[in-house]
Amino acid sequence: KQEVTQIPAALSVPEGENLVLNCSFTDSAIYNLQWFRQDPGKGLTSLLLIQSSQREQTSGRLNASLDKSSGRSTLYIAASQPGDSATYLCAFQSGSEKLVFGKGTKLTVNP
Amino acid sequence: DAGVIQSPRHEVTEMGQEVTLRCKPISGHDYLFWYRQTMMRGLELLIYFNNNVPIDDSGMPEDRFSAKMPNASFSTLKIQPSEPRDSAVYFCASWGAGAPFTDTQYFGPGTRLTVL
Repeated sequence: KQEVTQIPAALSVPEGENLVLNCSFTDSAIYNLQWFRQDPGKGLTSLLLIQSSQREQTSGRLNASLDKSSGRSTLYIAASQPGDSATYLCAFQSGSEKLVFGKGTKLTVNP
Repeated sequence: DAGVIQSPRHEVTEMGQEVTLRCKPISGHDYLFWYRQTMMRGLELLIYFNNNVPIDDSGMPEDRFSAKMPNASFSTLKIQPSEPRDSAVYFCASWGAGAPFTDTQYFGPGTRLTVL
């Protein structure tokens, strides 16, 4: 069974700090790895999608990397802001239309 | 496009009652997914459709749960009878088929279900 693990479950940092969120997956037959953001009481919003042929994707202050050999992905957030406070979920997609989600990392950026 | 639309946003019901959740996918998307999110289990896929046909319902927890997609613009998830352990946030998501592995799923705002 495919599993996605996210560590830590919660993270609190001061504003301006650079931070890394971690995601690990058990299946090396990966098609893509996605990072989502979820604000309280809201749905999920896609941040970055890394295809299996890629090593990283960048959007603004966000950078996501993918290492298939080790089964890991990281989401790097530069110069964090209070508006970045949310839960970040990674999702793994292999040979079907299904996404398998981790339980997320709840990030709090303190002013 | 207005995005994925779900209704109701909140539902409070008593154990044993029938609950129907509704979803309107993004126009032109031919995949529709139903998920359930709880603190304990995270986000779980319940069932998904392609071109209105159910493809995989292996995540549906029990026979009390059923889902239909009568047309490309509407889907329902029904729970009958409801139980307190069904309390969760239920999300609908849609996906375009043009690039199934290079595009993301688009999520609705969810329905928060509370069964008393």
